[in-house]
Amino acid sequence: NAGVMQNPRHLVRRRGQEARLRCSPMKGHSHVYWYRQLPEEGLKFMVYLQKENIIDESGMPKERFSAEFPKEGPSILRIQQVVRGDSAAYFCASSPLRDRTDTQYFGPGTRLTVL
Amino acid sequence: TQLLEQSPQFLSIQEGENLTVYCNSSSVFSSLQWYRQEPGEGPVLLVTVVTGGEVKKLKRLTFQFGDARKDSSLHITAAQPGDTGLYLCAGATGTASKLTFGTGTRLQVTL
Repeated sequence: NAGVMQNPRHLVRRRGQEARLRCSPMKGHSHVYWYRQLPEEGLKFMVYLQKENIIDESGMPKERFSAEFPKEGPSILRIQQVVRGDSAAYFCASSPLRDRTDTQYFGPGTRLTVL
Repeated sequence: TQLLEQSPQFLSIQEGENLTVYCNSSSVFSSLQWYRQEPGEGPVLLVTVVTGGEVKKLKRLTFQFGDARKDSSLHITAAQPGDTGLYLCAGATGTASKLTFGTGTRLQVTL
């Protein structure tokens, strides 16, 4: 089985541009989570989505950031008008619908660099 | 705010030595996961523990979940250079909920 897939693996943007990060969960997984890892910091939760629904966005910055998980296609994390402070590794994780262990499986990440 | 403190932060040992990494919190978790992360890659799941007092073994790695489900430990026996990496614990507080990650332990095993 293919694992969680993320693309692109590396993304370079200039200040003010938009960044779109994609995540395809593992087959059979309907829960998607996005985390951010700033340089020399730990992973921090951003948002939790199920198909067509945002369940928990308590970790998302209030402005410029949005996420979706449409009925068809990958989950998208969108950052508008990027700033240098957005430079980080963004990880997506997925988990199955019924899993009492709450286990999440991570993708390889997208490394965003804002020039 | 839930916090997971890991200790030690850094550990440099020689091949063949044993080590223990600790993950502590004042919060109760419904499950706790351990991951290892290599530079430039995503965290790779090692184990999930869900029951207080539970002990799981994965070859030379032994994981324990505290009785009160607030803390956990990872013990590595006879460490090898391939064990080098960043070890992360992460706790969940309910079914299908976000993970709170620990501060991480960076392990280096030399020949």
